[in-house]
Amino acid sequence: GAVVSQHPSRVICKSGTSVKIECRSLDFQATTMFWYRQFPKQSLMLMATSNEGSKATYEQGVEKDKFLINHASLTLSTLTVTSAHPEDSSFYICSARGVGGTEAFFGQGTRLTVV
Amino acid sequence: DAKTTQPPSMDCAEGRAANLPCNHSTISGNEYVYWYRQIHSQGPQYIIHGLKNNETNEMASLIITEDRKSSTLILPHATLRDTAVYYCIVRVSTGFQKLVFGTGTRLLVSP
Repeated sequence: GAVVSQHPSRVICKSGTSVKIECRSLDFQATTMFWYRQFPKQSLMLMATSNEGSKATYEQGVEKDKFLINHASLTLSTLTVTSAHPEDSSFYICSARGVGGTEAFFGQGTRLTVV
Repeated sequence: DAKTTQPPSMDCAEGRAANLPCNHSTISGNEYVYWYRQIHSQGPQYIIHGLKNNETNEMASLIITEDRKSSTLILPHATLRDTAVYYCIVRVSTGFQKLVFGTGTRLLVSP
């Protein structure tokens, strides 16, 4: 199956700083990428959807100025958590779907801890 | 909102078949049934999907009822590594439509 790689897998940052998470499709061109957040013992919550070269579409309740998404190429999307707070600590997961693809492939996730 | 309902948890003995049910009574004619699973602290893994015919691959079988209002994922010989949360999702197969996850079924495979 197709491979989606996230980096870093774990990150600890201080409150008030920004952190960038990368999501790469390694062996296919990802026209659509999705970003999810998952709190402990809860399901995945979709944050935003992005198409390459377009602005991301954010789900209701997700602050677009706080969670900056860039999908500048067909193999890379980034999520930047700006001015991080401890409540932003979570497991962030991306997924990617290629042209005409019928299923989305997921990255391994990034565990963010804000101290 | 998720359009599926699943039992919150199930247990299965190692080596036995695990049958995971999913109700999707409001499924539309062009929506597929997808199954993913998530092993602890990892990203979800695609398992299988289908429209109306039963499907089988190297991981599992998917049985969809004739009225398409429910389905069952079958792991024929469960192993300890199959312990995970299993998500049943309905969506159209192509296009921009997003995957919306429900609460899933936490499957525990025991020795």
